[in-house]
This record gives sequence, structure tokens and C-alpha cells, in this order.
Amino acid sequence: AQSVTQLGSHVSVSEGALVLLRCNYSSSVPPYLFWYVQYPNQGLQLLLKYTTGATLVKGINGFEAEFKKSETSFHLTKPSALMSDAAEYFCAVRVSGSARQLTFGSGTQLTVLP
Amino acid sequence: KAGVTQTPRYLIKTRGQQVTLSCSPISGHRSVSWYQQTPGQGLQFLFEYFSETQRNKGNFPGRFSGRQFSNSRSEMNVSTLELGDSALYLCASSLNGDTEAFFGQGTRLTVV
Repeated sequence: AQSVTQLGSHVSVSEGALVLLRCNYSSSVPPYLFWYVQYPNQGLQLLLKYTTGATLVKGINGFEAEFKKSETSFHLTKPSALMSDAAEYFCAVRVSGSARQLTFGSGTQLTVLP
Repeated sequence: KAGVTQTPRYLIKTRGQQVTLSCSPISGHRSVSWYQQTPGQGLQFLFEYFSETQRNKGNFPGRFSGRQFSNSRSEMNVSTLELGDSALYLCASSLNGDTEAFFGQGTRLTVV
């Protein structure tokens, strides 16, 4: 079975600072990895995904993530935070060719300080 | 291109009642999944439908059920509502379940 751990339920950064949200996964087979963002009273919006190929993945709104198999990590970064980035971020894993369900981490609430 | 549409957005029900939630996937998507989101348990998978067949089910009691129609629209039903069923219910659609999933805005269910 797969699992996802997001380190840090709350992260605060200053506007213009680097955003780093951590995600580690556990999977016995090659995973598909995703980052989603959720704004208050909204659904989940897909930021980026890793399936196969290039390990550095670029997403929307200036976010990117790097798949590191040796570290079983898929951390999300953004060079310069905007106030509008404040939201909750979820890392998710799906095992390729298997049960078609996403397993989510517990989420990280990002606060951007002026 | 229209996104995933969930109706209604908000519901208030009384304990013991039943409720039906609706989800219209993105046009051309044939896989629909349902998730429950609560502050305590986070995001949990309920079930996935493809071509009117349930392919996968999460660890939820039988009170939670669903179905999918020939136009890929899906409904989920919760019978004999309990206070603990209060949650945001999210629907996600994908082309075939193996590609990325796109979520709707969710239905906020409150059981009183």
C-alpha cells in the first residue's frame, strides 16, 4: 500500500521568499505523484504531476517539484511567494497500473506574510 | 471547456435522513471518483466508477453507495446519516482513471 507524509502542517513565509513544502511517499512500485492546492471553500486544483520521464516537473503559478527516487521525496518549491499563494497544499500518490485512487497527505497550510 | 460540476454546493440534513449528491464530469471523461474530506481524517477515497461500473471502493460502510450513468454523470448516496458524515464531498474526473484527476468545488454536507 502507498502512503504520503507531508512534513509541517503549517508553513509561514514572507512575501517574495522561497516556498518549500515537503512530501515523502512510500510505494513498492513506481508511483505517480501530484500536488494539489485548495483555497477556502473550494475544491482541489492540480498544480503539477509526475508520471514518468523528467524528474523536475514544472506546474502552474510558478511552482515546481522534483521527484527523487533515492529519497522517496517530491518536494514542492516556488522561488518567490505571492500573497495569493496562501492556501492548503496536498501531495498525493497513485500507484501506476493499480487501483485508481489517490492517497493524499494530510496537507500543509501555507501562510504568506506581508 | 467546463470543469467538474457538483450539486448542490451546500446541504443540511438531519441525522437518520439520506442524501444524494451529484457530479457531472468534464466532457469526455469516463472515470469519476469520490472523496470525503474532514478536518480529522483528511481526504479519504470513497469509490471510483468507470463506464457505469464500480472499479474500486474505499473503506467506508455500506451506507455509502454510488452509481454512474451512461453519460458518465455520477451520484453518491449516503443513507441513515450520522453526525460524523458531516464533511466536504469531492468528486474528481479523469479520462480513464489512469490520467490526472480534476476536482469539482465539492458539496459541503452538514448533518445536525
